[in-house]
Amino acid sequence: AQKITQTQPGMFVQEKEAVTLDCTYDTSDPSYGLFWYKQPSSGEMIFLIYQGSYDQQNATEGRYSLNFQKARKSANLVISASQLGDSAMYFCAMREGSGGTSYGKLTFGQGTILTVHP
Amino acid sequence: ETGVTQSPTHLIKTRGQQVTLRCSSQSGHNTVSWYQQALGQGPQFIFQYYREEENGRGNFPPRFSGLQFPNYSSELNVNALELDDSALYLCASSLVVGTGMETQYFGPGTRLLVL
Repeated sequence: AQKITQTQPGMFVQEKEAVTLDCTYDTSDPSYGLFWYKQPSSGEMIFLIYQGSYDQQNATEGRYSLNFQKARKSANLVISASQLGDSAMYFCAMREGSGGTSYGKLTFGQGTILTVHP
Repeated sequence: ETGVTQSPTHLIKTRGQQVTLRCSSQSGHNTVSWYQQALGQGPQFIFQYYREEENGRGNFPPRFSGLQFPNYSSELNVNALELDDSALYLCASSLVVGTGMETQYFGPGTRLLVL
C-alpha cells in the first residue's frame, strides 16, 4: 500500500485565491512527522511546513497552513493568497518513528503540480 | 537558500561506468540523506549517514554506496551504471537532536544521465 497518496496530479488556481493540496498517509506507527516541500523547475526541494503526529494544533507558516485530520490520516496543505511564484510541484512526505534509523528516511508522494494563473 | 550544495549540477555517463556525486551539508548538521528522483516521480530514499556511518538504507542495491566526512561533506558513489539510474539525485542534511522534529534541508540536486 502507498504510504503517501497525493490524488491530484495537477491543480489550477487564480492569483490571490486560496488552494488546497490533498495528502493522505498510511502508517501504524504512533509517532510520525508530515512535511510539505515545494519543488520549482530548478529541482531544489524547499521545505514549507511540518506537522508532528502529537501536535494538537494545525501547523502554520506564513501563507501555508496544514489541515491535519489525524483520524482520517490526511494532511492537506492550504496556500492562501496564491502568487505566481507558487507555481511548482508540491510534495507531501512522511517520516515514521522518532529516532534511530527513521531520522533520514522521508517517504514522498507522487506530487501535485500547481499552476497559478494571473 | 538552504546552505546545502551539490556538485556537479549535471553529469552524463555511459552504462557500466562509475560516478561520484558530492554534497556539502549545512555547517553543524550531523546527518545527510540521499534520494533518487526519477522524472515525474517523488524522491526515493537511498540511504542516510549519521556521524559518518550508514544508518538506514532504502531499497537500493549495494552498488549504491556513500561516505560522510567530518567536514560536513558527503559522497554518493554508484558503480556499474544502468540506464535506469538516470535521475535527479538529491542530498539533504539535518541536525538530529533526538526530538524527531528535525527538518531536512535539500540541495539543488545533480542530474545524471546514463547513455
